[in-house]
Amino acid sequence: QKEVEQNSGPLSVPEGAIASLNCTYSDRVSQSFFWYRQYSGKSPELIMSIYSNGDKEDGRFTAQLNKASQYVSLLIRDSQPSDSATYLCAAPRGGATNKLIFGTGTLLAVQP
Amino acid sequence: DTAVSQTPKYLVTQMGNDKSIKCEQNLGHDTMYWYKQDSKKFLKIMFSYNNKELIINETVPNRFSPKSPDKAHLNLHINSLELGDSAVYFCASSQARQGGEKLFFGSGTQLSVL
Repeated sequence: QKEVEQNSGPLSVPEGAIASLNCTYSDRVSQSFFWYRQYSGKSPELIMSIYSNGDKEDGRFTAQLNKASQYVSLLIRDSQPSDSATYLCAAPRGGATNKLIFGTGTLLAVQP
Repeated sequence: DTAVSQTPKYLVTQMGNDKSIKCEQNLGHDTMYWYKQDSKKFLKIMFSYNNKELIINETVPNRFSPKSPDKAHLNLHINSLELGDSAVYFCASSQARQGGEKLFFGSGTQLSVL
């Protein structure tokens, strides 16, 4: 199993809908998780981090972590065309390292 | 006032050539990184330096040689370029040495090897 796995998509949702992006992880990563957004031709930028089980909300974004199922997700409410981007899930590799391991990213397309 | 800047933005070169990419950060961060992103958007760590000390070398061919003259600069030199080196190379920095801290990325260098 890869350390961090995502469905590459594309995930297409209509404007105003909820977009749900999912990520699974292996035992080889530490228990803190990050969602980066990358617009086409641009660099990744951090939008959410989550460290404990449950939900964390920030505006239209909600990150959810389920450690028992080794599953982390990002929900985007009221999706806008400007949310169209690749969303990268990331976690640090376990142990005494500072390697942030990224998933392959999910391409989100919000249709107007 | 760019936080992490890397040059050049585009690099087109022939196989076998040697090229360098430069990176500078003005955030006062202690740790800098090189990441490679392939055509499928997979972002993979290559190197990490903390205060000029190499702390991560992620099984990268020794044709790639990072150099950090000070903690604000991390350059990447690539010898004998191969077709498979074509990718976008991102420089990044973070405040803390430990994994999981927020990474600030440069705008990327699109390397095309012909």
